[in-house]
Amino acid sequence: KNEVEQSPQNLTAQEGEFITINCSYSVGISALHWLQQHPGGGIVSLFMLSSGKKKHGRLIATINIQEKHSSLHITASHPRDSAVYICAVGARFGAGTRLTVKP
Amino acid sequence: EAGVVQSPRYKIIEKKQPVAFWCNPISGHNTLYWYRQNLGQGPELLIRYENEEAVDDSQLPKDRFSAERLKGVDSTLKIQPAELGDSAVYLCASSPRRTGAYGYTFGSGTRLTVV
Repeated sequence: KNEVEQSPQNLTAQEGEFITINCSYSVGISALHWLQQHPGGGIVSLFMLSSGKKKHGRLIATINIQEKHSSLHITASHPRDSAVYICAVGARFGAGTRLTVKP
Repeated sequence: EAGVVQSPRYKIIEKKQPVAFWCNPISGHNTLYWYRQNLGQGPELLIRYENEEAVDDSQLPKDRFSAERLKGVDSTLKIQPAELGDSAVYLCASSPRRTGAYGYTFGSGTRLTVV
């Protein structure tokens, strides 16, 4: 079993839909990261959180330390949001969720 | 400020040949990570340095992979000899503190193709 599990693996949405990506982890945590990777592009850090909730634009990240679970939400999704979203805990990464937003 | 710099961006080699990747982390970042990312998968940690000390290399295939971070700044990852299955993107990242508690910055990666 991976130490960091993400779901779903792939997600296709229509433009404007609300999107949720989930991450569960089994390792100890000082901080959890949500990262974005575009095809052929580098990895960009979206959020780092250790409790509660953070919001940046249309992106919202939440974490429940007791349940060892985090979610990344995208409101009013747009085709430019199409990318792989990766959850990371410490130095361990999830396999990523490939999001495709169709116009 | 320059980000994490990796070179080369692309490398094509024949199997059984050696190859080396170089990473220059952000100035002042004590922690440096090397990751391998296969197509369609998340990054897999190969080795983590705290300054010049390798503190987590449990996933590094030590029979053919080696790494060093002399003086706790730049780092080199080497594969010798390379195998077909080593084709992947090799990513370097750095952070001010260990375990990414202060956030990662990634380099652009080196795409290795072994033929």
